[in-house]
Amino acid sequence: DIVMTQSPESLAVSLGERATINCKSSQSVFFNSNKKNYLAWYQQKPGQPPKLLIYWASTRESGVPDRFIGSESGTDFTLTISSLQAEDVAVYYCQQSYSTPFTFGPGTKVDIK
Amino acid sequence: QVQLQESGPGLVKPSQTLSLTCTVSGGSITSGSYYWTWIRQPAGKGLEWIGRIYTIGSTDYSPSLKSRVSISLDTSKNLFSLKLNSVTAADTAVYYCTRFNSFGFDFWGHGTMVTVSS
Repeated sequence: DIVMTQSPESLAVSLGERATINCKSSQSVFFNSNKKNYLAWYQQKPGQPPKLLIYWASTRESGVPDRFIGSESGTDFTLTISSLQAEDVAVYYCQQSYSTPFTFGPGTKVDIK
Repeated sequence: QVQLQESGPGLVKPSQTLSLTCTVSGGSITSGSYYWTWIRQPAGKGLEWIGRIYTIGSTDYSPSLKSRVSISLDTSKNLFSLKLNSVTAADTAVYYCTRFNSFGFDFWGHGTMVTVSS
């Protein structure tokens, strides 16, 4: 199984400031056929299912605000919230869909400082 | 807009079988190239992929659950189902049904809480 790790476990950021979440896969999740990393990011608010934010490491899902930015470097991935809003308080998960069983990171909780 | 809705018992006794269904509306479960998937989340914990079924009926399961799990399609009712047998307290979780579109889980049910207890 591909193991996904995330850091930090939690972070608190002031409104309007930048939040950065890191994710690392234990092996490559890059498909040569289409030159894409099969890495997605989800946002989960309390009592709700996860919501797909970003796929292919850096492509925003339709309707997701452009303050959510995904980036990649080898097996390291980053989700940046460029200007934290109150509604962004949530747990964020990375997830690989390169090979089954699909696996998620343990999550990063984002709060307001 | 595709919508998914889980249903099934909220309480299952140890050693028995957990059975859930996911009713899909807003689109046919056999159209498109989608994998219909079950994911679970114990209270306060992370997300675990259980398994999936493709529109033509082929399945993949988590190796850790493979011996106990079965996912099936009912095309006449536009739903898919999960069966997990020989349950223990460790199977207590919120169970989500979701659609995988080749790069992410784009539509989710609200989730249903299943408790394993006598």
